[in-house]
Amino acid sequence: AQKVTQAQTEISVVEKEDVTLDCVYETRDTTYYLFWYKQPPSGELVFLIRRNSFDEQNEISGRYSWNFQKSTSSFNFTITASQVVDSAVYFCALSEAQQQGGSEKLVFGKGTKLTVNP
Amino acid sequence: EAQVTQNPRYLITVTGKKLTVTCSQNMNHEYMSWYRQDPGLGLRQIYYSMNVEVTDKGDVPEGYKVSRKEKRNFPLILESPSPNQTSLYFCASSPGTLAGVHNEQFFGPGTRLTVL
Repeated sequence: AQKVTQAQTEISVVEKEDVTLDCVYETRDTTYYLFWYKQPPSGELVFLIRRNSFDEQNEISGRYSWNFQKSTSSFNFTITASQVVDSAVYFCALSEAQQQGGSEKLVFGKGTKLTVNP
Repeated sequence: EAQVTQNPRYLITVTGKKLTVTCSQNMNHEYMSWYRQDPGLGLRQIYYSMNVEVTDKGDVPEGYKVSRKEKRNFPLILESPSPNQTSLYFCASSPGTLAGVHNEQFFGPGTRLTVL
């Protein structure tokens, strides 16, 4: 069964600090997809990144970076030099390629609430 | 602008009064789904649709119905709402799995439903 664990419920940092959000997943599939979404206080879900299970290259996008390690089933997200606008709930999600009925169901972690204080 | 829209955004209703939350996407996406978000539980899939007239249950389908008569629309129907359906609801769409590839899912802005 698919499962995503985000052990950090809440994190609070001061602006300009670096912060890493942890994500550990469980799946029996060899082909799967991992996602990160951001949910700011306004409530919408904003897509950040998608990674497939065959691509273990780390990715950097501005102040954001992602570390995918299949050996530890982790897909961690780091924000460098955090800013107040980064305050949000961040969700990690997993989608197995072979799902019943062709579903693309996303299994979400419970989210990590990040607060960046000025 | 490519988007997923939901209406209403906020709704307060009473137990047993049928309601429909609409979802529409303008990206010609084949795949659409509904999620509910509850504190401490994260987001869970209610129903999904692979294409027109093709729908199936997600993890928490009880008390909900859906239909997919047109590609762009995927309404969520609560025939007899109960207080335990008070939640934040999200509609999502994606192009569909081409060659088994799962693409980004685009989410609507959410509908906050309160059932008294």
